[in-house]
Amino acid sequence: EAGVTQFPSHSVIEKGQTVTLRCDPISGHDNLYWYRRVMGKEIKFLLHFVKESKQDESGMPNNRFLAERTGGTYSTLKVQPAELEDSGVYFCASSQDRDSTTNEKLFFGSGTQLSVL
Amino acid sequence: LAKTTQPISMDSYEGQEVNITCSHNNIATNDYITWYQQFPSQGPRFIIQGYKTKVTNEVASLFIPADRKSSTLSLPRVSLSDTAVYYCLVGRHNFNKFYFGSGTKLNVKP
Repeated sequence: EAGVTQFPSHSVIEKGQTVTLRCDPISGHDNLYWYRRVMGKEIKFLLHFVKESKQDESGMPNNRFLAERTGGTYSTLKVQPAELEDSGVYFCASSQDRDSTTNEKLFFGSGTQLSVL
Repeated sequence: LAKTTQPISMDSYEGQEVNITCSHNNIATNDYITWYQQFPSQGPRFIIQGYKTKVTNEVASLFIPADRKSSTLSLPRVSLSDTAVYYCLVGRHNFNKFYFGSGTKLNVKP
């Protein structure tokens, strides 16, 4: 079974440019999360999709960040325009439907290393 | 938000048993305790999860005392490939509120 895949693995852009990160969750996983770790900080939540709907986007830093999940499959995270402080590693994770009797497990992708120069 | 406290780093030698303890004093009744492992340039990977007492799988054991305010991840006979960062997360169905913290950087030496 394929895991969570993210593309690209690395991206180097200049301040003011636009970058789009893509995440393909595990097939059948309705829940999709975006996290990021900026330099020297811990991994932090950005947003959560349930299928194509945004369940929680409280972690999105500002309106330069736009996430979509077309048809409830893959997701994209666009940063426009990128700023220096956006540099970091962006992780995507997915999980199956929630079961009231157990706790779900998150499956993470390898992340996208974003460098804004 | 159930914050956790772990040692920032630990050193060990190949073949030893490693125990990493995590404190989570404000754990809620329905919260689970989950440990993830992260290698450089990779995303965190699920290791083990428990609610109370002891859980064991092919990779590790998780010990949870009765008050559940702490937990201990036990890695038997570590190898160099176990060098990684280990995160203790507390919660249930609320990955938006998971506190990753700095994790514990385990360095296994030959």
